[in-house]
Amino acid sequence: DVVLTQTPVSLSVTLGDQASISCRSSQSLEYSDGYTYLEWYLQKPGQSPQLLIYEVSNRFSGVPDRFIGSGSGTDFTLKISRVEPEDLGVYYCFQATHDPPTFGGGTKLELK
Amino acid sequence: EVQLVESGGGLVQPGASLKLSCVASGFTFSDYWMSWVRQTPGKTMEWIGDIKYDGSYTNYAPSLKNRFTISRDNAKSTLYLQMSNVRSEDTATYYCTRDLRSPEMDAWGQGASVTVSS
Repeated sequence: DVVLTQTPVSLSVTLGDQASISCRSSQSLEYSDGYTYLEWYLQKPGQSPQLLIYEVSNRFSGVPDRFIGSGSGTDFTLKISRVEPEDLGVYYCFQATHDPPTFGGGTKLELK
Repeated sequence: EVQLVESGGGLVQPGASLKLSCVASGFTFSDYWMSWVRQTPGKTMEWIGDIKYDGSYTNYAPSLKNRFTISRDNAKSTLYLQMSNVRSEDTATYYCTRDLRSPEMDAWGQGASVTVSS
């Protein structure tokens, strides 16, 4: 199975700061069709996960533009500019390029 | 409003079987692939498997394929997860999700908690 390694495990920020989360894959996530099926999810405290980003950099409907996904191959990053209170929670990367789909271990974003 | 509501969780003994349900509303259920995902008490997320919109195809995580079965009843807008020979490591919150494409799980239920213990 593809292993997704997220760093850091936890991240303490001040509101208004930028946050950056890394997701590294044990294999390239570029599929034979040219697409890269790397997604990001946020699980807010007490809630179910919600989709933020798909195909590396596409924001899902309603996701603010302060969320920016980037990367290629095996290295991916989620940047959150100007962190707001509703951004706190655990972020998971997820790959669907290789079977079975797998999640990263999560990164907890919390207030400093 | 898209809604997914899981049920059927609870305390179950090792070796027993359990069937979870997920009732969908607010969209045309038969148009979408659906998935099951679980989250352990330690917050590890695991994709269990998915099912095509017409129920004709299923795909599973290899580690669970022999014990878990996903099915659906489009007439009832309901997704199912049949779990057999459960083990302590199956203790988790089980989520059903609606899949857009790859799979882009754009809607999640509130989760059903399953505890496997004697």
